[in-house]
Amino acid sequence: EVQLLESGGTLVQPGGSLRLSCVASGITFTDYYMSWVRQAPGKGLEWVANINKDGSQRYYVDSVKGRFTISRDNAKNSLFLQMNTLRAEDTALYYCTAGAGWLIDYWGQGTLVSVSS
Amino acid sequence: EIVLTQSPGTLSLSPGERATLSCRASQSVSKDYLAWYHQKPGQPPRLLIYDASNRATGIPDRFSGSGSGTDFSLTISRLEPEDFAVYYCQQYADPPNTFGQGTTLEI
Repeated sequence: EVQLLESGGTLVQPGGSLRLSCVASGITFTDYYMSWVRQAPGKGLEWVANINKDGSQRYYVDSVKGRFTISRDNAKNSLFLQMNTLRAEDTALYYCTAGAGWLIDYWGQGTLVSVSS
Repeated sequence: EIVLTQSPGTLSLSPGERATLSCRASQSVSKDYLAWYHQKPGQPPRLLIYDASNRATGIPDRFSGSGSGTDFSLTISRLEPEDFAVYYCQQYADPPNTFGQGTTLEI
């Protein structure tokens, strides 16, 4: 069974930083492209960033470019999202996802990030 | 950036009826790399259709996807009670891999 377990979400003040983590099991991690997708409360899905199998390709939605960094540690089956200069509009449930290509096959349960003073 | 526009915003139907959801792209989606997901309250989305017309593993054959280029659709031939949810399309051809705004399928 594929499991993607996110952690790191919490309440943070505007301008603060946070690092999200995701540990994968049930898949050969190095065979999968990984992504972060977020969902603001009561809103739709927003793709945030993705990374290819070896980390050589990374893409971001414009609203987080220069503030967020996606990375992975293949030795630890882990995906990360370093989030800096957080804004109120970054408040959302952040999903870790995996796919054999850029398609998303699997989703975690999400970790909640709240940005508020 | 490819903008995906889903219609209708809300679709009200009854079990046993046929549902057709639309997803229109602002520019052609390369290789028809278009997926459909549904999401039930309190759950993450689930992949239904990929490459515009291929059913994901374990998805019943009442779900079908069609279209190419800029116009895509998802059809549910006979609605079951568990099909009432929010449906999203997503293109994964060109980053950013945008989602549509969603269609709520309600009873």
